[in-house]
Amino acid sequence: AQSVSQHNHHVILSEAASLELGCNYSYGGTVNLFWYVQYPGQHLQLLLKYFSGDPLVKGIKGFEAEFIKSKFSFNLRKPSVQWSDTAEYFCAVNGGGYQKVTFGIGTKLQVIP
Amino acid sequence: GAGVSQSPSNKVTEKGKDVELRCDPISGHTALYWYRQSLGQGLEFLIYFQGNSAPDKSGLPSDRFSAERTGGSVSTLTIQRTQQEDSAVYLCASSLQGQGAEGYTFGSGTRLTVV
Repeated sequence: AQSVSQHNHHVILSEAASLELGCNYSYGGTVNLFWYVQYPGQHLQLLLKYFSGDPLVKGIKGFEAEFIKSKFSFNLRKPSVQWSDTAEYFCAVNGGGYQKVTFGIGTKLQVIP
Repeated sequence: GAGVSQSPSNKVTEKGKDVELRCDPISGHTALYWYRQSLGQGLEFLIYFQGNSAPDKSGLPSDRFSAERTGGSVSTLTIQRTQQEDSAVYLCASSLQGQGAEGYTFGSGTRLTVV
């Protein structure tokens, strides 16, 4: 079975601080990895995805994530956060023959102006 | 349509009543998924439809939950004899090919409150 673990459930940062949200997955085979974001009052949106190629993936709004296969990790990073990045972030995995995507519990990010 | 449409956006129901939640996926998307989002629980997979294949019902929490997809398009999630623990946001998503790699497009969800 595939599973996803997000280590930080609630993160508070000041504007311009750097961000790294941890994500580990469990699945032994080929995986597709995702980060979704849910801004307050809005629906879930795809932030970035990895399914092959360069393990450093760049997404919208300056976010990036690095797939480290040996660590089963797909951490999300942003060098300098803005107040508008306040949202809940979900890591997700889709592996092997599974057709569904399994989501982590989510990390709430609060950016203080 | 341009996005995934869900209705109603909010539903308050009395314990023991049945409810139906509707999802209208993006036109041409063959795969449709239902998830449940509860406070502190992340997104819980419920059921997945792919074209004419038998749905993957492995995430349905009990036999009170069922879902249909008619004509490969609109889907209805039915919860019978609702319980307070059914209170959650029910999310529908669709994707083009159902393999997950391209990512999902989510609807805005139906917030269900059982009183």
